[in-house]
Amino acid sequence: QKEVEQDPGPLSVPEGAIVSLNCTYSNSAFQYFMWYRQYSRKGPELLMYTYSSGNKEDGRFTAQVDKSSKYISLFIRDSQPSDSATYLCAMYTGTASKLTFGTGTRLQVTL
Amino acid sequence: DGGITQSPKYLFRKEGQNVTLSCEQNLNHDAMYWYRQDPGQGLRLIYYSQIVNDFQKGDIAEGYSVSREKKESFPLTVTSAQKNPTAFYLCASTMTGGNQPQHFGDGTRLSIL
Repeated sequence: QKEVEQDPGPLSVPEGAIVSLNCTYSNSAFQYFMWYRQYSRKGPELLMYTYSSGNKEDGRFTAQVDKSSKYISLFIRDSQPSDSATYLCAMYTGTASKLTFGTGTRLQVTL
Repeated sequence: DGGITQSPKYLFRKEGQNVTLSCEQNLNHDAMYWYRQDPGQGLRLIYYSQIVNDFQKGDIAEGYSVSREKKESFPLTVTSAQKNPTAFYLCASTMTGGNQPQHFGDGTRLSIL
């Protein structure tokens, strides 16, 4: 079993929809959580970085962490075609330098 | 503009050949990382370096080598011992301490001729 599980998709939604992307993890030592957006043939771009359980909002993006359930989510409101990309969750314990990534969810926002 | 520059964008390797991928950052970050990305497998850590003249193996270091002679540079050599080198290679960097997130370059696509 992988330490971080993420549905690969693809997930297709109409423009304007609310998108929910999720990751589950098995290592309770993970404390820091990130969401990256990756366009085709580009490097991952940091979207959200959270530490504690709860919600963090930045514009149309909300990151949610539930450490008791070992579950993190990224919500995208009013989705746009420009949001079409692969979304990677990543996390680490804080005591090690190594990030552990999910495999990524491919999102397609259609007109 | 501060950032991480990877070159070349595309690279082709012949059988038995070593190739070197460049990664340069002007963010004044202490730590640098190399990842390999394959479809359906996410990112896997090859090597990382937290300080000049020091580096550690990641999860899939076999067939790769690195050096860290300058803070801003962390080149990766894919040796002929790496039998399946076709992948997208990503370099990242971060400040050490304070648990800062990693920032990535735009990658190098390596293919076999």
